[in-house]
Amino acid sequence: GAVVSQHPSRVICKSGTSVKIECRSLDFQATTMFWYRQFPKQSLMLMATSNEGSKATYEQGVEKDKFLINHASLTLSTLTVTSAHPEDSSFYICSASPPGITKNIQYFGAGTRLSVL
Amino acid sequence: AQSVSQHNHHVILSEAASLELGCNYSYGGTVNLFWYVQYPGQHLQLLLKYFSGDPLVKGIKGFEAEFIKSKFSFNLRKPSVQWSDTAEYFCAVNADTGKLIFGQGTTLQVKP
Repeated sequence: GAVVSQHPSRVICKSGTSVKIECRSLDFQATTMFWYRQFPKQSLMLMATSNEGSKATYEQGVEKDKFLINHASLTLSTLTVTSAHPEDSSFYICSASPPGITKNIQYFGAGTRLSVL
Repeated sequence: AQSVSQHNHHVILSEAASLELGCNYSYGGTVNLFWYVQYPGQHLQLLLKYFSGDPLVKGIKGFEAEFIKSKFSFNLRKPSVQWSDTAEYFCAVNADTGKLIFGQGTTLQVKP
């Protein structure tokens, strides 16, 4: 159980285009989902917390107009990188937390490798 | 602010050697502690967690970790590593907010 699917796994795009990444909890409902960014040889940095039916909470330094997050249902959150530039190239990872006593456990997607040319 | 520090960035061991990876955190209140593992090309997987109770927790694949509150530590151990344990290991902490703070990660390389 507790499977999180992330799509696409890899995307290459031209500078200036927008890219949408999907994160789905396959066998549980996730009231909260998280989006992280991981640079090579570095740790995961939390970008934002996505709550179903409300606006995402962004971490300091993360541009909310650049990284649009939508959490329209209990099983789906999307991250859209708008007007992507080469410096946005990175590994983006989502996670989801089930409700209840396990709410502090996060289950992770496989990540999306974004390359902006 | 919470922070997590992993002392070993890159560890190289031979098979059957014992492993201990250090993790320290800075937060004075109640915390939940985690170790995640990321095998090459795969997603992060939960190895073990501590919420409360027995400070010695056992996880999957023979791993265990000990929470020492007085030292703000949650070190990961395995008595005998295998080549298949080669991976990136992350210690993480949250203070019941749901937000995870990750350490820098430790790359473990096990030589056959």
